[in-house]
Amino acid sequence: NAGVTQTPKFRILKIGQSMTLQCTQDMNHNYMYWYRQDPGMGLKLIYYSVGAGITDKGEVPNGYNVSRSTTEDFPLRLELAAPSQTSVYFCASSRTSGQLNTGELFFGEGSRLTVL
Amino acid sequence: QKEVEQNSGPLSVPEGAIASLNCTYSDRGSQSFFWYRQYSGKSPELIMSIYSNGDKEDGRFTAQLNKASQYVSLLIRDSQPSDSATYLCAVRMNTGFQKLVFGTGTRLLVSP
Repeated sequence: NAGVTQTPKFRILKIGQSMTLQCTQDMNHNYMYWYRQDPGMGLKLIYYSVGAGITDKGEVPNGYNVSRSTTEDFPLRLELAAPSQTSVYFCASSRTSGQLNTGELFFGEGSRLTVL
Repeated sequence: QKEVEQNSGPLSVPEGAIASLNCTYSDRGSQSFFWYRQYSGKSPELIMSIYSNGDKEDGRFTAQLNKASQYVSLLIRDSQPSDSATYLCAVRMNTGFQKLVFGTGTRLLVSP
């Protein structure tokens, strides 16, 4: 019953460092997402993917990159970390009904990132 | 105008009361609406979805949708302290890949 698994749960980075947040799901969902959540600001979409090999930018993609080589995995890469990237990051997936995105998201437990 | 708007709260209700959470949205073409609950320090979880005008009940939760007024609400009957959380309204847009847009959430506090 793993669902969506994210690692690491916590990480402190220095300005300019890079890192990858890992995300894997075992529900065979086509759609996967990365959100960031800042206090009082709701969830902002960083990148999304509608299937293996297909990714696209969300609302706040600058400073991030993604790849989707398999249905299960959707890693988020932070290049040249900046203090503005301090946030909680959530990976999520959703099932489709035919070609329709159901909008019923399953979230990972989150990764709390601090950039100092 | 924000795509999805919610009052940030906190909304304080006594145990056993009805909690009413509200949400408005801007995209008149939206067809799917969701309520997610997020406990402090945890990830959001889906609790209700609604697609048609009117009410949808699931246990102590009732979602209400009025597309003409672009308004979605969540009623929690017999509120319990365990219902204390932030409730996120989400609307699936009718364009592109049908992205889900979240409101900033309403914090609910249920006092014993």
